[in-house]
Amino acid sequence: AQKVTQAQTEISVVEKEDVTLDCVYETRDTTYYLFWYKQPPSGELVFLIRRNSFDEQNEISGRYSWNFQKSTSSFNFTITASQVVDSAVYFCALHIYNQGGKLIFGQGTELSVKP
Amino acid sequence: EAQVTQNPRYLITVTGKKLTVTCSQNMNHEYMSWYRQDPGLGLRQIYYSMNVEVTDKGDVPEGYKVSRKEKRNFPLILESPSPNQTSLYFCASSSDLSGHTEAFFGQGTRLTVV
Repeated sequence: AQKVTQAQTEISVVEKEDVTLDCVYETRDTTYYLFWYKQPPSGELVFLIRRNSFDEQNEISGRYSWNFQKSTSSFNFTITASQVVDSAVYFCALHIYNQGGKLIFGQGTELSVKP
Repeated sequence: EAQVTQNPRYLITVTGKKLTVTCSQNMNHEYMSWYRQDPGLGLRQIYYSMNVEVTDKGDVPEGYKVSRKEKRNFPLILESPSPNQTSLYFCASSSDLSGHTEAFFGQGTRLTVV
């Protein structure tokens, strides 16, 4: 079965704290893509990153970093020095080839950053 | 500007009154999907389309219909809406099946059925 689990439903931090959002996935495919999306209070989905299953290098983009570990089927997302504008729901998703290139989403993690 | 446009953004309707949510993309993408987002469940695929006149059920198709008469448009039809279809709906399009390029999502349609 293909599945994405984001066990943290809600996380609350104080501004400038670091925070890690967990994502664990299941798939039998050897080639796949993983994604992270941000959903701010306005509701739209904002693409953050795409990661190929063959590329296990960690990625950093400003205050954002991603740790992809195939051995544990995890693709965790860390925000360093969080800011109030980071408050949003974050989704991890697994792309599958079938069903028109369907994305299998996790349940989402709601991050609240307080000043 | 490359975009997926959904209309309306917000809709309140009554049980049983047919409605259509429109979706249009300007990127000449072949693949389009509809998702619904519900608390604690993330987004789930309702229907998808591989090309004009080629549509198929996703994971939660009950109570919905779609059509793909033109490449750019992929409307979602609720012929007899019920309260359990109250949700946030997203249309998405993409240019390939591999995942090498990300899907583009519309702004979302928040539907309330009373």
